[in-house]
Amino acid sequence: QVQLEESGGGVVQPGTSLRLSCAASGFSFSRYRMHWVRQAPGKGLEWVAVVYDDGNNKYYVDSVKGRFTISRDNSKNTLDLQMNSLRGEDTAVYFCARGFSGGFWFFDLWGRGTLVTVSS
Amino acid sequence: DIVMTQSPDSLAVSLGERATINCKSSQSVLYGFNNNNYLAWYQQKAGQPPKLLIYWASTRESGVPDRFSGSGSGTDFTLTISSLQAEDVAVYYCQQYLNTPPLTFGGGTKVEIK
Repeated sequence: QVQLEESGGGVVQPGTSLRLSCAASGFSFSRYRMHWVRQAPGKGLEWVAVVYDDGNNKYYVDSVKGRFTISRDNSKNTLDLQMNSLRGEDTAVYFCARGFSGGFWFFDLWGRGTLVTVSS
Repeated sequence: DIVMTQSPDSLAVSLGERATINCKSSQSVLYGFNNNNYLAWYQQKAGQPPKLLIYWASTRESGVPDRFSGSGSGTDFTLTISSLQAEDVAVYYCQQYLNTPPLTFGGGTKVEIK
């Protein structure tokens, strides 16, 4: 079955770190660019980061640059998001999403998301 | 960054009637070399992840009912639900993918039953 499944969310204090993971199955993971997209409670969608097929190219939204690191392990079919120096405004459901074939930056497969709450 | 503006924020439509959602980009998302509009539409039902409906502004994703259609070019786009069904209650988002990073989403339009 083609699917993505996120894990690692939770409640953390401001300034701390958290690592999210996304397990992919049912498709050739290494052939796709993979993204993280987040959604603050009751709000819209915000793209966070992308990692290219081979893991060498990575891009981030300005608000997380220098704090978040996206990575992938094609041997394990996993996508990670290391989040450091967390802030209240990082509170959101974090979705991993598969970029459309051909490298285009829209998403044809989404996980169900994992909730990150940053609060003291 | 390209700013995507959707209208209205919400709309209520009777079952079987037409629903129309607009999306405007601050810059053209038409790529002249291939004449494609880099614009996608998603549907998000309560408690679920988004689902891809339309890409290239008017191409329906596999399995999406044909009551959903996308149109427009350049900076102005429309998602139309020709005959609203109960299962179409959701928030709909447009997204541009021409000028990246970052890719950007519209603010969403909530569709309800009147």
